Amino acid sequence: DAGVIQSPRHEVTEMGQEVTLRCKPISGHNSLFWYRQTMMRGLELLIYFNNNVPIDDSGMPEDRFSAKMPNASFSTLKIQPSEPRDSAVYFCASSSTFYRGAKLFFGSGTQLSVL
Amino acid sequence: GQQVMQIPQYQHVQEGEDFTTYCNSSTTLSNIQWYKQRPGGHPVFLIQLVKSGEVKKQKRLTFQFGEAKKNSSLHITATQTTDVGTYFCAGLESQGNLIFGKGTKLSVKP
Repeated sequence: DAGVIQSPRHEVTEMGQEVTLRCKPISGHNSLFWYRQTMMRGLELLIYFNNNVPIDDSGMPEDRFSAKMPNASFSTLKIQPSEPRDSAVYFCASSSTFYRGAKLFFGSGTQLSVL
Repeated sequence: GQQVMQIPQYQHVQEGEDFTTYCNSSTTLSNIQWYKQRPGGHPVFLIQLVKSGEVKKQKRLTFQFGEAKKNSSLHITATQTTDVGTYFCAGLESQGNLIFGKGTKLSVKP
């Protein structure tokens, strides 16, 4: 099993640019989560999908953030325009059930630096 | 909003010493999970506790869930350098949100 695959691993961009982060969940998993990790705030849930449908996006910081899941094997998190305070590690995770207390499988993360 | 408090934030131990991290919630949790994140890595699931007073062991690691299901602990006996990393608890609150603690960063001096 390849696990959750995220790309890119590192992204360095300038303020104002559009950033797109990508995630491929584990095959057969039907829940997908986007988390952001910073020293100050720890792991924060941004949004999660069940069967490709966004269920809870209350953690999305503001309108500059958007996420899509066009099919069961692919999701994107877009930031437009990016700002320095968006610098963080962004993790994608998937689970095999809709149960919110289920085990999460995390990808390797995208380290985002906005200059 | 709902918070899961985790202490201590950092712990430095000599190899061979024991280590404990604690997780506390103000409300009753449906279950609690523990994850380990190695430096530069991603969180990896360790275990899930569901029952009141539950105790589970994985080799040198012992996990406990409090009787009131509001607190949990992870204890490592005789730490090794391979135990280095940040340990997170994540509590499932009654409204269905999984809340992560901020983690305890463990460093082990050989």
